[in-house]
Amino acid sequence: EAGVAQSPRYKIIEKRQSVAFWCNPISGHATLYWYQQILGQGPKLLIQFQNNGVVDDSQLPKDRFSAERLKGVDSTLKIQPAKLEDSAVYLCASSPTGGRVETQYFGPGTRLLVL
Amino acid sequence: DAKTTQPTSMDCAEGRAANLPCNHSTISGNEYVYWYRQIHSQGPQYIIHGLKNNETNEMASLIITEDRKSSTLILPHATLRDTAVYYCIVRGNFGNEKLTFGTGTRLTIIP
Repeated sequence: EAGVAQSPRYKIIEKRQSVAFWCNPISGHATLYWYQQILGQGPKLLIQFQNNGVVDDSQLPKDRFSAERLKGVDSTLKIQPAKLEDSAVYLCASSPTGGRVETQYFGPGTRLLVL
Repeated sequence: DAKTTQPTSMDCAEGRAANLPCNHSTISGNEYVYWYRQIHSQGPQYIIHGLKNNETNEMASLIITEDRKSSTLILPHATLRDTAVYYCIVRGNFGNEKLTFGTGTRLTIIP
């Protein structure tokens, strides 16, 4: 079974530029999550989708971050404009259903550096 | 905020048992204890979870104290590939309640 795919793996941009990350979840997984992991910290949930609907985006900085999951499969996370403090690893995870924590499968992440 | 307290780092000799402690003194009756680990440059990986009974699977054992205020993750025969950050997470096992990660324990297996 193929795992969660993310691209790009690395991205370097200057502050105030825009950037987008892509995630392809495991086939058939209804729930998709985006996490932000700042160096030295644990991952923090930014947004959770159930199919193509948003379940939780309470920690998403909506003035600059946006995410969509058209057709309930792939997802993109965008930052516009980026700030220095957005430097982090952005992790995507998916699960067959929304409730069972043990079935969350994480991708390798996209490492973003904002200069 | 994370509901758990873990040591920042630990070392363990290869082939020995690695015992990772976690304090969760404010855990409520319907909350489970979950353990995840994150190997360098990878996403977190689920290890094990439990409510009040001890649990064992192919990766590890989980020992939960009778008062449920603390637990220990045991890797019975640690290998170099077990070097990772280990997260102890308390969460209800229903609905869409989010995973809240703390800073975890950085476990280093020494050859």
